Amino acid sequence: QKEVEQNSGPLSVPEGAIASLNCTYSDRGSQSFFWYRQYSGKSPELIMSIYSNGDKEDGRFTAQLNKASQYVSLLIRDSQPSDSATYLCAVSRLSNTGKLIFGQGTTLQVKP
Amino acid sequence: DGGITQSPKYLFRKEGQNVTLSCEQNLNHDAMYWYRQDPGQGLRLIYYSQIVNDFQKGDIAEGYSVSREKKESFPLTVTSAQKNPTAFYLCASSIDTGSYTEAFFGQGTRLTVV
Repeated sequence: QKEVEQNSGPLSVPEGAIASLNCTYSDRGSQSFFWYRQYSGKSPELIMSIYSNGDKEDGRFTAQLNKASQYVSLLIRDSQPSDSATYLCAVSRLSNTGKLIFGQGTTLQVKP
Repeated sequence: DGGITQSPKYLFRKEGQNVTLSCEQNLNHDAMYWYRQDPGQGLRLIYYSQIVNDFQKGDIAEGYSVSREKKESFPLTVTSAQKNPTAFYLCASSIDTGSYTEAFFGQGTRLTVV
């Protein structure tokens, strides 16, 4: 079992719809959770971080964390073609080394 | 502008050669990291450094070496012992290594063995 799992997709949504990206993790001691966006050929860009159960909203993005279910998600409202990218879920272990464990990423396609 | 600079953007290596990838940051971050990304894959940690003159192996350190002589710099050497070095190499940094610390990436170096 991988430590951080994501559905590789592609996830295809029409412009203006809500895109829902999901991530599960295996280490119950994980404390910090991050979503990165990576355009093709580019480096990852941090878009959201979440540390406690519940929802965290930032503009069109909402991160949701459920530690009991070991599940973190990213919702993108009013999806735009410019949101088309690979979204990487990353988890920080309890060991406080700052190391991030990444999922393989979900490719999102927003169709005009 | 503050940020993380990786160079070169593209690098070609012949079989049996060592090559060094540069990573410089002016964010005054204590921690720096090297990740490797293969096509369609997530990122895997090669080495990380929490402070100057100290670094630790990550999950795939074999065939790589690093140094951290200055806070701003964390170069990665891909040695001839690395069997499959063709990949996208990403350097990152964070303020510290606390649990809630966010990491930021440079623009990456794409290494190809020819």
